[in-house]
Amino acid sequence: NAGVMQNPRHLVRRRGQEARLRCSPMKGHSHVYWYRQLPEEGLKFMVYLQKENIIDESGMPKERFSAEFPKEGPSILRIQQVVRGDSAAYFCASSPGIGMEETQYFGPGTRLLVL
Amino acid sequence: LAKTTQPISMDSYEGQEVNITCSHNNIATNDYITWYQQFPSQGPRFIIQGYKTKVTNEVASLFIPADRKSSTLSLPRVSLSDTAVYYCLVGDSSSGSARQLTFGSGTQLTVLP
Repeated sequence: NAGVMQNPRHLVRRRGQEARLRCSPMKGHSHVYWYRQLPEEGLKFMVYLQKENIIDESGMPKERFSAEFPKEGPSILRIQQVVRGDSAAYFCASSPGIGMEETQYFGPGTRLLVL
Repeated sequence: LAKTTQPISMDSYEGQEVNITCSHNNIATNDYITWYQQFPSQGPRFIIQGYKTKVTNEVASLFIPADRKSSTLSLPRVSLSDTAVYYCLVGDSSSGSARQLTFGSGTQLTVLP
């Protein structure tokens, strides 16, 4: 049973370009979460999605960032017109979407470097 | 969301038992306590989760006193490969709008030979 998959693992972009980060949840999981981690810091929540729905995007910057989780295919975190401050590790997590104690399982992350 | 406080760092030696305590004075009735482990350049890995008393799995034990204002992660007989950052999180994962996990700075555990 494969875990959470993320690709690419490393992404280099120049300022002003677009970055697309993909996340495939664990089999059977219908809930996806995106987090960002700056160097020497803990993870910060960005957005929580279910299939075709954004449930909570309270941690997402208001501009340039968007996320989707289509009916088919992986979840996508999209960053438009990247700036140097977007350089960070972006982690995706998934959970089954049922039960009280919902454990989130994390992927290996995508490390974005903006030049 | 309940705030957590844990030591910034701890050192231990191989073979010893390590206990990392986390304070969460404002824990709510529906909140669970979850611990994650993170190695450099990797995503957090779930270790253990509990609500009250004691929980044990093949990796660790979690002790939660009756007032639930703190919890202690216990790692038996640590090895060098247990060197990592350990995060204590508190949250109510049953609520759709409150599923976000709040990570603090974590505890850097260093296991020495």
